[in-house]
Amino acid sequence: DIQLTQSPGSVSASVGDRVTIACRASQDVSSWLAWYQLKPGKAPKLLIYGASNLQDGVPSRFSGSGSGTDFTLTISSLQPEDFATYYCQQAKSFPIAFGQGTRLEIK
Amino acid sequence: QAQLQESGPGLVKPSETLSLTCSVAGGSVSSGPYYWSWIRQTPGKGLEWIGYVFHTGSTNYNPSLKSRLTLSLDTSKNRFSLTLTSVTAADTAVYYCARLWVVVVPAAGVAYYTDVWGKGTTVTVS
Repeated sequence: DIQLTQSPGSVSASVGDRVTIACRASQDVSSWLAWYQLKPGKAPKLLIYGASNLQDGVPSRFSGSGSGTDFTLTISSLQPEDFATYYCQQAKSFPIAFGQGTRLEIK
Repeated sequence: QAQLQESGPGLVKPSETLSLTCSVAGGSVSSGPYYWSWIRQTPGKGLEWIGYVFHTGSTNYNPSLKSRLTLSLDTSKNRFSLTLTSVTAADTAVYYCARLWVVVVPAAGVAYYTDVWGKGTTVTVS
């Protein structure tokens, strides 16, 4: 099974900051990786698929990069609504696996 | 855009059976390149993929739950369901139903992304 390791586990930042979250896969997943945003009481949201493709309706301040085993999610200029928990997911094979999450908090 | 809504009891006793249903609006469970999936979130383990059911009735389960899990789909009511037997405190979680989008990449293979989620329902085993 493919396992994903995210870092950091949590990060504190301010509105306007640039934030990068990393995700490492235990084996090559090519570009088949997604990023999600979770907020309490709301439906989780797909942000990025195929490692770098922005899902419809997602603001362009979100971007993804990487291939193989190392991936990053970048938020170029944090907005108040971006404070949430972010997860990566490998999309290559079953069982589908998620990273352990990165909690983005207001500094 | 499809919308998903989970329903079911919020409290289940240990050793009993957990049953949840996901109602789908704005789309059909019988169409499109989609598998209908369940995912749960626990405080200690983050997000855990549970399994999926396809409109043909085929299923794929997480091996960690396979012996206790049944997923089914009712096309006439446009909904799908989860049944988990012999629950313990470790099954306490927020349960999400979700649509698994199957993306065929020519000459490369198939990828699976969760493009629509429900808001989740909290289930406590106690």
